[in-house]
Amino acid sequence: QTVVTQEPSFSVSPGGTVTLSCGLSSGSVSTSNYPSWHQQTPGQAPRTLIYSTNARSSGVPDRFSGSILGNKAALTITGAQAGDESDYYCLLYVDGGTYVFGTGTKVTVL
Amino acid sequence: QVQLQESGPGLVKPSETLSVTCTVSGGSISGYYWSWIRQPPGKGLEWIGYIHYSGTTKYNPSLKSRVTMSVDTPKNQFSLKLNSVTAADTAVYHCARYAISGFVLDYWGQGTLVIVSS
Repeated sequence: QTVVTQEPSFSVSPGGTVTLSCGLSSGSVSTSNYPSWHQQTPGQAPRTLIYSTNARSSGVPDRFSGSILGNKAALTITGAQAGDESDYYCLLYVDGGTYVFGTGTKVTVL
Repeated sequence: QVQLQESGPGLVKPSETLSVTCTVSGGSISGYYWSWIRQPPGKGLEWIGYIHYSGTTKYNPSLKSRVTMSVDTPKNQFSLKLNSVTAADTAVYHCARYAISGFVLDYWGQGTLVIVSS
């Protein structure tokens, strides 16, 4: 069973920078896992921010950026705003042609 | 603008079959892959699987034995059936669309809560 691990929580100051990570139990994350990042506020549907490692979805501010850092996928929020306070999930394409969501990271801006 | 709307029974008894439908408006179901994702209350997202408009499917290995997805192209709908449900299947069930380029979910439905309880 493939497990995708994220930090449970992060706190960032307004205007600060935070980098979330997304690791794969079976090894390194690469662009072939087509990492995507999804933002979810309570009671709302998830919103896709980043796909294919570093492509921004339409309307997503350039404060959000995706990358591969070391052996993990990463989402960086630069110049954090109060409205960025949400849960963030990564999603990876894995062996067998299926997808696995990460465990999710709760980001607090204060 | 593409919109996805889930509909479901709200309450299902243990051991019975859960059925949820997603109605697509503002665009055609043809040509795309469509996905189901669920989220138990207070927990994270779980990918259930996808179906191509042609009927090709791929399921989460942990749910594969209990899941069936189908497409109704004339109605612009696709559906999820999950059999032998237990309380652990209580969740908000979301439908979503993969972009034509693949590998990215570009539209999501708001979700429908299904509770498994006697």
